[in-house]
Amino acid sequence: GAVVSQHPSWVICKSGTSVKIECRSLDFQATTMFWYRQFPKQSLMLMATSNEGSKATYEQGVEKDKFLINHASLTLSTLTVTSAHPEDSSFYICSAREAEQYFGPGTRLTVT
Amino acid sequence: LAKTTQPISMDSYEGQEVNITCSHNNIATNDYITWYQQFPSQGPRFIIQGYKTKVTNEVASLFIPADRKSSTLSLPRVSLSDTAVYYCLVGDMNSGGYQKVTFGIGTKLQVIP
Repeated sequence: GAVVSQHPSWVICKSGTSVKIECRSLDFQATTMFWYRQFPKQSLMLMATSNEGSKATYEQGVEKDKFLINHASLTLSTLTVTSAHPEDSSFYICSAREAEQYFGPGTRLTVT
Repeated sequence: LAKTTQPISMDSYEGQEVNITCSHNNIATNDYITWYQQFPSQGPRFIIQGYKTKVTNEVASLFIPADRKSSTLSLPRVSLSDTAVYYCLVGDMNSGGYQKVTFGIGTKLQVIP
């Protein structure tokens, strides 16, 4: 099946700094990618839809200025958490669609 | 958007067949039913997808009754490594409706030795 990768797999940063997470579709092109966030023992929550060549579409309650999404190519979308705070600590997962929706392995963000 | 309802948790002994049922009473005509498996600290993994009747692959079977208001994921002879959370998703494949599907809580399957 199709493969979606994420980098880094985990990151620790200090409060107030920014962190960039990359999502790549390795063997297919994806005009649309999706970013989810998952807190411990909770389900995945869709944050935004990333569209190649255009602005991302954010879900209600997600701050677009805090979670910057750039879909620079058909195989790469990035999520930048700006001015991170401890409450942003979470598991961030991206996905992309080919025949089915494939998910990346996730990125564990810890903000200290 | 079709909402799904699943049991929060299930226990099963190794070697048994496990059936997890998902209710989706307001499923739309164009909606497909997809099941994912998620291990802790990993992204969800596609298991199986279907539209109606029965679908089988190397890891699972999916049973969908004629009214499509529910579906049952069947895992044959589970092992300890099948302990995970299983999500049922319903969405329109063609219009990209999956991106608007809300993940439910999922069913946490615990396989007991």
